[in-house]
Amino acid sequence: GAVVSQHPSWVICKSGTSVKIECRSLDFQATTMFWYRQFPKQSLMLMATSNEGSKATYEQGVEKDKFLINHASLTLSTLTVTSAHPEDSSFYICSARGKLLAGVADTQYFGPGTRLTVL
Amino acid sequence: GQNIDQPTEMTATEGAIVQINCTYQTSGFNGLFWYQQHAGEAPTFLSYNVLDGLEEKGRFSSFLSRSKGYSYLLLKELQMKDSASYLCAPRSNDYKLSFGAGTTVTVRA
Repeated sequence: GAVVSQHPSWVICKSGTSVKIECRSLDFQATTMFWYRQFPKQSLMLMATSNEGSKATYEQGVEKDKFLINHASLTLSTLTVTSAHPEDSSFYICSARGKLLAGVADTQYFGPGTRLTVL
Repeated sequence: GQNIDQPTEMTATEGAIVQINCTYQTSGFNGLFWYQQHAGEAPTFLSYNVLDGLEEKGRFSSFLSRSKGYSYLLLKELQMKDSASYLCAPRSNDYKLSFGAGTTVTVRA
């Protein structure tokens, strides 16, 4: 099956610092990548959608200046949490949409997630 | 927007069959996904239905009726490792997935 990787798996940082999370599709070209956030015992919340070479589209209530998304290639997207604060502590998960095989409907696969703790 | 309704919790014994129903309302439909999510982990892909009917994949099967806005995930020969949350996620025409709270399945010996 398709593999989507995320790095780092977990990160602890001090309040006010910035953290960059990478999301890579390893065996397919991702048409679109999505960034989600999940708080404990809550459902996944979509933060933004990114397409290669264009600006990300943010969901309502998500600060685009705080959560910077760069989609440099069809296999890499990055999310940078700028000036992180304790309330940004969460589980950040990316997903990639793409086709594994020509002629097959595209599907969407999740990365393993990054657990961010801001002290 | 999209409304997703699935049971909060289900409990079954090892070896049994569980059917998780999901009803949804969408403003545009482009397929429906089922994911499994263990506590503290990211969701893993189980199935994808875009046409009406049943998709079978090993112990897991998923059914879709677009006209009824209804899907179900069938888990057969339950194993202890199947204890997890199961997420029904319809996709809209802009390729965004919507998630509800999911169904927590507990498998007992």
